[in-house]
Amino acid sequence: GAVVSQHPSRVICKSGTSVKIECRSLDFQATTMFWYRQFPKQSLMLMATSNEGSKATYEQGVEKDKFLINHASLTLSTLTVTSAHPEDSSFYICSALLGNTGELFFGEGSRLTVL
Amino acid sequence: DQQVKQNSPSLSVQEGRISILNCDYTNSMFDYFLWYKKYPAEGPTFLISISSIKDKNEDGRFTVFLNKSAKHLSLHIVPSQPGDSAVYFCAASENSGNTPLVFGKGTRLSVIA
Repeated sequence: GAVVSQHPSRVICKSGTSVKIECRSLDFQATTMFWYRQFPKQSLMLMATSNEGSKATYEQGVEKDKFLINHASLTLSTLTVTSAHPEDSSFYICSALLGNTGELFFGEGSRLTVL
Repeated sequence: DQQVKQNSPSLSVQEGRISILNCDYTNSMFDYFLWYKKYPAEGPTFLISISSIKDKNEDGRFTVFLNKSAKHLSLHIVPSQPGDSAVYFCAASENSGNTPLVFGKGTRLSVIA
């Protein structure tokens, strides 16, 4: 079945630095990928919709200058958390949409810890 | 190996009847479960959740049942409406939601008028 891989699975960084998280669809092309943030004991919060070759669409309340999304190819979307702060510590999960089928495949999540 | 399984890729139900979507899991450490609903070309939206300390949680037309011994949960939609037609994802987490959610592959529900 279709696989979506995230890298790194865990990252620890110092406050003020930037961190890049990759989301790859390993065996299919995904024109659309989604980025979510998971808070402890809470459901996912959709951050943005990433479309290949165009600008991401951010949800209300999500700072586009802080959470940079680049979907440069049909198999890769990246989320860069710029000038990270401890409150950005969270799980970040991506998902990729398979063509026109509407099937959605989730990555394993990336745990960001900002010291 | 899949830790969260939704064995029915699709389900068709008549409007007004009950829709039952099933989900099985293998990891006994999972203690927090969620259901998401997804329309075409959109990201999934949260529907309902349940903690392992409960065996039932109800929100309007949606009820989630959890059977820990069987490692099984189900989502009941009563009565089903055409607008419920979507893909439904089951997700699970350990440590009361403090680990990344693990998702099933989804079940496509079609509610026929």
